[in-house]
Amino acid sequence: AQTVTQSQPEMSVQEAETVTLSCTYDTSESDYYLFWYKQPPSRQMILVIRQEAYKQQNATENRFSVNFQKAAKSFSLKISDSQLGDAAMYFCAPRIFQGAQKLVFGQGTRLTINP
Amino acid sequence: NAGVMQNPRHLVRRRGQEARLRCSPMKGHSHVYWYRQLPEEGLKFMVYLQKENIIDESGMPKERFSAEFPKEGPSILRIQQVVRGDSAAYFCASSPLWTGAVGKGYTFGSGTRLTVV
Repeated sequence: AQTVTQSQPEMSVQEAETVTLSCTYDTSESDYYLFWYKQPPSRQMILVIRQEAYKQQNATENRFSVNFQKAAKSFSLKISDSQLGDAAMYFCAPRIFQGAQKLVFGQGTRLTINP
Repeated sequence: NAGVMQNPRHLVRRRGQEARLRCSPMKGHSHVYWYRQLPEEGLKFMVYLQKENIIDESGMPKERFSAEFPKEGPSILRIQQVVRGDSAAYFCASSPLWTGAVGKGYTFGSGTRLTVV
């Protein structure tokens, strides 16, 4: 069974600063994807970034990047130049190729942006 | 492409009533996943369906909860004899059939917030 741990229930950052959200997971599979989702107050789940486990290069999407450490099973999200619109709950989720291929979510980190 | 459509957006039920939550997946998506989100928590997997088949219901409570995805029409999550502990946001997500879609993640609906009074 997969488990996902987000050890920071809440984080805050000043606007324009950089913040890193941590995530560790446990899986016995070798092939999988990792995702970060954002959930603003509207409740909509929005895909932020994804990482393929077989790729060593860390994924980047504009101001968002990840630090993927496969051996350590760590998948942190870095947000650069934080903006007020980044305020949301952030969820980390692996997805394996086997079985139901379901996403397994962590408990989430609530990110607050201070103006 | 209208995306994943869930309705109703909000649903209020009295204890003991039935709740029916509907999910229409994106066009071309044949996999549907249901998740439940309790206040201040992450999304918990409930059930995974393909057309006319339940593939994985390992996260579904054994009693009062059922799900279906008929050949025609939306997927339905049904909760019988609701209790206050069922109050939560219920999300549906859909995914295409092909293996490469694993890397695409899901497309989520906006969720149904169920309140049991």
